[in-house]
Amino acid sequence: DTAVSQTPKYLVTQMGNDKSIKCEQNLGHDTMYWYKQDSKKFLKIMFSYNNKELIINETVPNRFSPKSPDKAHLNLHINSLELGDSAVYFCASSPPVADTQYFGPGTRLTVL
Amino acid sequence: QKEVEQDPGPLSVPEGAIVSLNCTYSNSAFQYFMWYRQYSRKGPELLMYTYSSGNKEDGRFTAQVDKSSKYISLFIRDSQPSDSATYLCACRNAAGNKLTFGGGTRVLVKP
Repeated sequence: DTAVSQTPKYLVTQMGNDKSIKCEQNLGHDTMYWYKQDSKKFLKIMFSYNNKELIINETVPNRFSPKSPDKAHLNLHINSLELGDSAVYFCASSPPVADTQYFGPGTRLTVL
Repeated sequence: QKEVEQDPGPLSVPEGAIVSLNCTYSNSAFQYFMWYRQYSRKGPELLMYTYSSGNKEDGRFTAQVDKSSKYISLFIRDSQPSDSATYLCACRNAAGNKLTFGGGTRVLVKP
C-alpha cells in the first residue's frame, strides 16, 4: 500500500547511456517533485509539476527531462548520462500546502 | 554559501539524552520551517513544521524558530536508538512550493 513508489530502486549504467526513472503516487495529490540527493546528503529540488504542468524548473542540464502523463505519475528521463549524475533521486508529492511532502524510497543511480 | 546550513555531524549521544539540532538560513523571505527525518536508504519523512517564529511541541520533539537570528532548532527528549537517522531542516517562503533543504545532520543514539 505504498504512497509514493519509484522504479527502479537501483540503476547502474555506463556513461553516455539514456535512462528513465518512474514515479507513481496514490495519494491523490496534484503536485509532484523530483529531487537529487548527492553523496553529502544535500537534497536539491530539480522539478515540480502541478496537475501535469511544470511549475518549478531549477538550473538542471537539459539532458534531464521530466514527463507527467497524468497527475499520479512523474517520470524522469536522463540523456547522455555523466559521472556527476551519480546520486539518489527522490520523487515526492504533496497536497496544495507543500510543507508535507511525501517522498518515495529513492532511486540510487550509479554512472560508471 | 548555501541558503540553509547544517552541521553534518555525526552527533553521537547516549540513549535517554536530549538531542539538540540546529540550522541557520540566510533568506529573510523564508516563513515556513520544517524538520524531516531520513533513515538510511529511505526517503525523508516530515517530523515537524512551524510558521514564522515560535515553538512547537509534538511528543518528544520540540521545534523552535528565531527569525530575528535566522536560526531554527529541533530538540529530541529521551532519545531512543530508533531516533538514529539524518535530520534535515527545510525552509520555504510564503508563496510557492519550493523547499530549500539543509545538508542534514546525522544522529547516532547509542544504547
